[in-house]
Amino acid sequence: ETGVTQTPRHLVMGMTNKKSLKCEQHLGHNAMYWYKQSAKKPLELMFVYNFKEQTENNSVPSRFSPECPNSSHLFLHLHTLQPEDSALYLCASSQDGLEENEQFFGPGTRLTVL
Amino acid sequence: AQSVAQPEDQVNVAEGNPLTVKCTYSVSGNPYLFWYVQYPNRGLQFLLKYITGDNLVKGSYGFEAEFNKSQTSFHLKKPSALVSDSALYFCAVPYTGGFKTIFGAGTRLFVKA
Repeated sequence: ETGVTQTPRHLVMGMTNKKSLKCEQHLGHNAMYWYKQSAKKPLELMFVYNFKEQTENNSVPSRFSPECPNSSHLFLHLHTLQPEDSALYLCASSQDGLEENEQFFGPGTRLTVL
Repeated sequence: AQSVAQPEDQVNVAEGNPLTVKCTYSVSGNPYLFWYVQYPNRGLQFLLKYITGDNLVKGSYGFEAEFNKSQTSFHLKKPSALVSDSALYFCAVPYTGGFKTIFGAGTRLFVKA
């Protein structure tokens, strides 16, 4: 596998379910990101990890819980979600969090909350 | 505060014609500016970036962008559009200090055969 991979690609869950999204990067990067992409809305940054430490939490509701066990893996744990949380969740990585470094994105997980 | 604006929701162009996707920015200090592309059912893909130096930046797939400090613009261009260029294009600027990046709302490009 190369680049940034995300699993699952599609997820349908009820509001009472607990599920997790997984992201893995094979680029040797040290910074990883979670974004939410909803129709008709700008890309929203959710969380940033740099060298496994969380550096940004963009006022995300506690029903979203990130986990970064190492620089290659990033998880987003989901529980008691709302229908408005349905969106495309994108993971990205960069060499580090510096301004001049571009981000590499995974294909995303399309989440539908019923 | 940093911000970017993409004034066009959609751009239509005929195959073979030149294309321009517009982006303006508001940044304190010297800007770093990026363009990304998103094809259907895919994540964003880096196209090019301006850090410093030459105002004309060349990137992937024949795209280039012109940094214009006086007009605070960073328009994406390609001399001859392909149908396969049809996608969603995002301009982006990082926050000073890094870690956070602001993305524009996106411009959908349609290239007609």
